[in-house]
Amino acid sequence: DAKTTQPTSMDCAEGRAANLPCNHSTISGNEYVYWYRQIHSQGPQYIIHGLKNNETNEMASLIITEDRKSSTLILPHATLRDTAVYYCIVRVSGTYKYIFGTGTRLKVLA
Amino acid sequence: EPEVTQTPSHQVTQMGQEVILRCVPISNHLYFYWYRQILGQKVEFLVSFYNNEISEKSEIFDDQFSVERPDGSNFTLKIRSTKLEDSAMYFCASRAGTSGQETQYFGPGTRLLVL
Repeated sequence: DAKTTQPTSMDCAEGRAANLPCNHSTISGNEYVYWYRQIHSQGPQYIIHGLKNNETNEMASLIITEDRKSSTLILPHATLRDTAVYYCIVRVSGTYKYIFGTGTRLKVLA
Repeated sequence: EPEVTQTPSHQVTQMGQEVILRCVPISNHLYFYWYRQILGQKVEFLVSFYNNEISEKSEIFDDQFSVERPDGSNFTLKIRSTKLEDSAMYFCASRAGTSGQETQYFGPGTRLLVL
């Protein structure tokens, strides 16, 4: 099973870019990397996903290394409302279930 | 924007009672999931459902649990005889399942408290 490793916590100043790293060295060649966040105990909220190329949407950018063993989620201008636990997920090969890790608790500071 | 909805938002029950948690997945989605999160712990996969049958389940999903899609819109999780350790947030998720549309979208959750 592809596993991910993320820092336990990070702080970011409001208005600055938040860069959240994730290691997924055992990812399979055709597996996507997904990013979700969870604010308090709400349902995980989809942010972005990617395979090989860098991706950008209205919420964030995703940078995936060429060897695909790691990725970085970038929130370009973090706000207080971005304070949440951020999960990097690689879908279990051959299935569609998500295996959540402990994620990174991002605190955006005023 | 379409979203997954869940009812009730909170449920309190006595140990040994049956509970049914309800979910309305996003319309036209074909794959449905239940996850749970015990307070302070990780989100854990319980079961996936497609074409009116379970496609995958975890070790947690024992005989006390069942899922059903009783009509074209609802997806339910039943716990037959609740235990104290079933207290958790339960999240429903759905995905379209069509090519290029594999992202799962989660509902807001049902907080279950077993006394």
